[in-house]
Amino acid sequence: AQSVAQPEDQVNVAEGNPLTVKCTYSVSGNPYLFWYVQYPNRGLQFLLKYITGDNLVKGSYGFEAEFNKSQTSFHLKKPSALVSDSALYFCAVRGNTGGFKTIFGAGTRLFVKA
Amino acid sequence: DAGVIQSPRHEVTEMGQEVTLRCKPISGHDYLFWYRQTMMRGLELLIYFNNNVPIDDSGMPEDRFSAKMPNASFSTLKIQPSEPRDSAVYFCASSFSDRGRPQHFGDGTRLSIL
Repeated sequence: AQSVAQPEDQVNVAEGNPLTVKCTYSVSGNPYLFWYVQYPNRGLQFLLKYITGDNLVKGSYGFEAEFNKSQTSFHLKKPSALVSDSALYFCAVRGNTGGFKTIFGAGTRLFVKA
Repeated sequence: DAGVIQSPRHEVTEMGQEVTLRCKPISGHDYLFWYRQTMMRGLELLIYFNNNVPIDDSGMPEDRFSAKMPNASFSTLKIQPSEPRDSAVYFCASSFSDRGRPQHFGDGTRLSIL
């Protein structure tokens, strides 16, 4: 069965510092991995994805994520956090066989303090 | 380029009333998803359609919930009769039929059942 774990409910970081939001996954076959961000009173917005190729993928707003197959992880990173990055972040996985479901993690709330 | 459009944005009604949520997906997208988000349960997939056909409704909580997609540009999620525990934010999302493409979310309907 497919699953996604985001082990931290909340991540606190000071503005200008690097940030990491953790994600591990379980899926049969090769994974399609996604990160989404949700701002208050809005729907989820796509940030970046990993399909194949380079393990480091770059996305919107300066975010990047590192795919690690041996650790089944896909951590979201940003070298220098902004107060405006404060939001709810979701990791998601879709398998390459079977149904078209995307499994979402529980979400990690990021607080960036000025 | 119009995104996924949901209506109404907010709905407040009394227990026992029928509630209908509406969604217009992005033109050309083959898949449509309905999700429910609550603090306690996070983001839950209720049902999804492919080319207007329901594929997986295993997430629909009970018979009080029903969803239809009469054509490629419109879908409804209906709750009859509604109960206070149905209070949540309901999201519609759509995507192309490529596993590597992300879902595009509407801004949701905030439903309150009194």
